[in-house]
Amino acid sequence: DVKVTQSSRYLVKRTGEKVFLECVQDMDHENMFWYRQDPGLGLRLIYFSYDVKMKEKGDIPEGYSVSREKKERFSLILESASTNQTSMYLCASSLSPQGALTEAFFGQGTRLTVV
Amino acid sequence: AQKITQTQPGMFVQEKEAVTLDCTYDTSDPSYGLFWYKQPSSGEMIFLIYQGSYDQQNATEGRYSLNFQKARKSANLVISASQLGDSAMYFCAMREVNQAGTALIFGKGTTLSVSS
Repeated sequence: DVKVTQSSRYLVKRTGEKVFLECVQDMDHENMFWYRQDPGLGLRLIYFSYDVKMKEKGDIPEGYSVSREKKERFSLILESASTNQTSMYLCASSLSPQGALTEAFFGQGTRLTVV
Repeated sequence: AQKITQTQPGMFVQEKEAVTLDCTYDTSDPSYGLFWYKQPSSGEMIFLIYQGSYDQQNATEGRYSLNFQKARKSANLVISASQLGDSAMYFCAMREVNQAGTALIFGKGTTLSVSS
């Protein structure tokens, strides 16, 4: 069974804290993604990575950074958490065979509250 | 400009009826894929169905089918014989083959409520 695991299901952090959200996949996928989901806005892409140490900005990268030191792990970093970053964060991964498109597999999500 | 548009925030249907969830997309890439995901109240994202831009036939997976109209740039999801367990949020998404590492872009979603 394919597995994408996010380190926490619920997280409460204080404004100004540095926050790490971790995501691990066991499917040897090249691509990994971080999204945030807010009511009425759907899933918005924050960052994605198509290889180790490679990263690309998505639609809303401001206030976030990412790290991909190993193929199976993709970390989302909030350098200084703010209340407007309170949201559900979803990690996903997918294969990237040449010229083909495949579905993404998602983790269970991390509901982050910044107080 | 939005790449994926889902114009129906909410849809209501009775059990055993069919329902169509709308999705339109915007791309200039000739090679792309369209996906539908289901998100129940538990929050997990469940992949339902995929349609490639070069596929000649509409995709089907059990009770799910994708009404793909390329010229109109629409990829509507049809659920036949709705069940109570179909109540969930549904997302349409697209990937473009224009470079290595293509991102999956989502619409805002449609909430489907199935009643008995």
